[in-house]
Amino acid sequence: EVQLAQSGAEVKKPGESLRISCEASGYSFTTYWIAWVRQVPGRGLEWLGVIYPSDSDTRYSPSFQGQVTISVDKSINTAYLQWSGLKASDTGIYFCARPVHMARGVPGTFDIWGQGTLVTVSA
Amino acid sequence: EIVLTQSPGTLSMSPGERATLSCRASQSISTSYFAWYQQKPGQAPRLLIYGTFSRATGIPDRFSGSGSETDFTLTINRLEPEDFAVYYCQQFASSPTTFGQGTKVEIK
Repeated sequence: EVQLAQSGAEVKKPGESLRISCEASGYSFTTYWIAWVRQVPGRGLEWLGVIYPSDSDTRYSPSFQGQVTISVDKSINTAYLQWSGLKASDTGIYFCARPVHMARGVPGTFDIWGQGTLVTVSA
Repeated sequence: EIVLTQSPGTLSMSPGERATLSCRASQSISTSYFAWYQQKPGQAPRLLIYGTFSRATGIPDRFSGSGSETDFTLTINRLEPEDFAVYYCQQFASSPTTFGQGTKVEIK
């Protein structure tokens, strides 16, 4: 079965760093892009960025460029999303998701989703 | 950035009725680059419709998509109890890919 399994919920203070993970199984990890999508009540779903595990080619949404870093470890079929200085506005649920394809550098429809990781940033 | 505006925000329906959900784009989109998702509480979104018209694997035929240019519609015929959820539209015609704010289909 094709699955994306995400790491557990996190509670952090402003300014702290964090890395959350997304482990893929059931398919060839290096042949599909992996994206990160945030969900915040009142802001809906927002795309952060996407990475191609084979060569770590990474594209970011302009809104999140410089705010987060996306990476992969091919040896363990895992993608990561990390922050070096969290803000309260980073609070939300973060999903990893697999786009079926990329359309001119833009991730297309997401057919597989992780279960989500709740990140809470509060003093 | 293409903005997607969904309406209504909430749809109060009874099981067995037909639901019609709208998504309007701020600029014209090719039908190839448009999709719909369903999300239930505590779950990740699930792909329903891709390429405006095509149902994803395992999606029942009571779900149908239509539209073109700036106006897109998701129709759910004969609502089943499991269809009460939030529905999102998505475009990926240009970067960044964006989603609508969602329409909640609730039981009347």
